[in-house]
Amino acid sequence: GAGVSQTPSNKVTEKGKYVELRCDPISGHTALYWYRQSLGQGPEFLIYFQGTGAADDSGLPNDRFFAVRPEGSVSTLKIQRTERGDSAVYLCASSQTMGQGAWGNEQFFGPGTRLTVL
Amino acid sequence: RKEVEQDPGPFNVPEGATVAFNCTYSNSASQSFFWYRQDCRKEPKLLMSVYSSGNEDGRFTAQLNRASQYISLLIRDSKLSDSATYLCVVNGAHYGGSQGNLIFGKGTKLSVKP
Repeated sequence: GAGVSQTPSNKVTEKGKYVELRCDPISGHTALYWYRQSLGQGPEFLIYFQGTGAADDSGLPNDRFFAVRPEGSVSTLKIQRTERGDSAVYLCASSQTMGQGAWGNEQFFGPGTRLTVL
Repeated sequence: RKEVEQDPGPFNVPEGATVAFNCTYSNSASQSFFWYRQDCRKEPKLLMSVYSSGNEDGRFTAQLNRASQYISLLIRDSKLSDSATYLCVVNGAHYGGSQGNLIFGKGTKLSVKP
């Protein structure tokens, strides 16, 4: 079946502009996660949704970052007034239910959106 | 101390070699541990979960040492296709986050040569 898809695969923008990154999770997965990966680093958690609500947004770096998931499926990560430091690969993941651990619900990652802020 | 620390490598090994990666985590209350594999310019994929008793999947063995807050991954008889970055991952529930929050190490790069 189809995996997690993300669009666009690459986005180049100028400092100060607004960008939207889209994630389409695996059908039926109720939990959706956003991570950011900078060069030479591991992915860094941003936010996760259980259904339509943000269950944990503790990883969002500041109020320029916002994410929505209005119908509990597709999610959009929105970045306002982009800065050069926002350049990274933005990864989306989904799982059948919340969390990973005792429930053993694997997080499946999409291919990412490579954001470059000039 | 960083939450999850790994030796970044690179580890350059010949085919057939045995290689071990180590990882330490900072919070002794951590409950769930994983190894992910990430190929160059690709997304991370779950390689295996790490259980308290240790677990094995073919050529791969994962161990957990709670007393030392240490996780390891052993790869036996390495193949060219094992070349990738291996990410040590801890569930973020005890780091101010939630069960849905995975904390990744920087990764250890492995290069298997013919």
